Amino acid sequence: DTGVSQDPRHKITKRGQNVTFRCDPISEHNRLYWYRQTLGQGPEFLTYFQNEAQLEKSRLLSDRFSAERPKGSFSTLEIQRTEQGDSAMYLCASRSLDFGLAGNDGELFFGEGSRLTVL
Amino acid sequence: AQTVTQSQPEMSVQEAETVTLSCTYDTSESDYYLFWYKQPPSRQMILVIRQEAYKQQNATENRFSVNFQKAAKSFSLKISDSQLGDAAMYFCASHQGGSEKLVFGKGTKLTVNP
Repeated sequence: DTGVSQDPRHKITKRGQNVTFRCDPISEHNRLYWYRQTLGQGPEFLTYFQNEAQLEKSRLLSDRFSAERPKGSFSTLEIQRTEQGDSAMYLCASRSLDFGLAGNDGELFFGEGSRLTVL
Repeated sequence: AQTVTQSQPEMSVQEAETVTLSCTYDTSESDYYLFWYKQPPSRQMILVIRQEAYKQQNATENRFSVNFQKAAKSFSLKISDSQLGDAAMYFCASHQGGSEKLVFGKGTKLTVNP
């Protein structure tokens, strides 16, 4: 088990460009989450998936943001027409609903994050 | 709506000493969970300790323990015998039963001095 992995770790882009982040959750974790963390703040919930279904989206997730998890494994988070306010760390996390695993109810396993800087 | 407040932006402790990080929360739900997460510099966030609201007994995990005061909506983290590796950002978070969203506080940066 290699943990939650995110790619790229760092992305610098110019305002107006599109960016895409990828998250590979822990295998067999059927729930996957995206959070955003800005400097000096705690993470803020963006969205989550159960398998391939996107079940909840935060109001923070404007129409420029789209997340997918097409086969219920990895997920992508795309930001279109980036703005300087999008600069943040984007965190992915996963957990299992199977209480037999280490991931008990409420415990999330986080990746190291993808840091976005919009110039 | 849930809110989580951490009133200490920074704390410091001497190695081997004890430190307490404060957290207060607000929720209208009776079914909820509380967590402390640790985020070392440039590394992933990891769970330190969790507390189910329906349990009166305070959770403990080795050197980490909580003081859960349900009526006061307070959830502090005590770190005993502090070690250099404990230096990190610590986030308090709450999770309501039936919701998939964790609500985090702004964090407390803990420095451990040798």
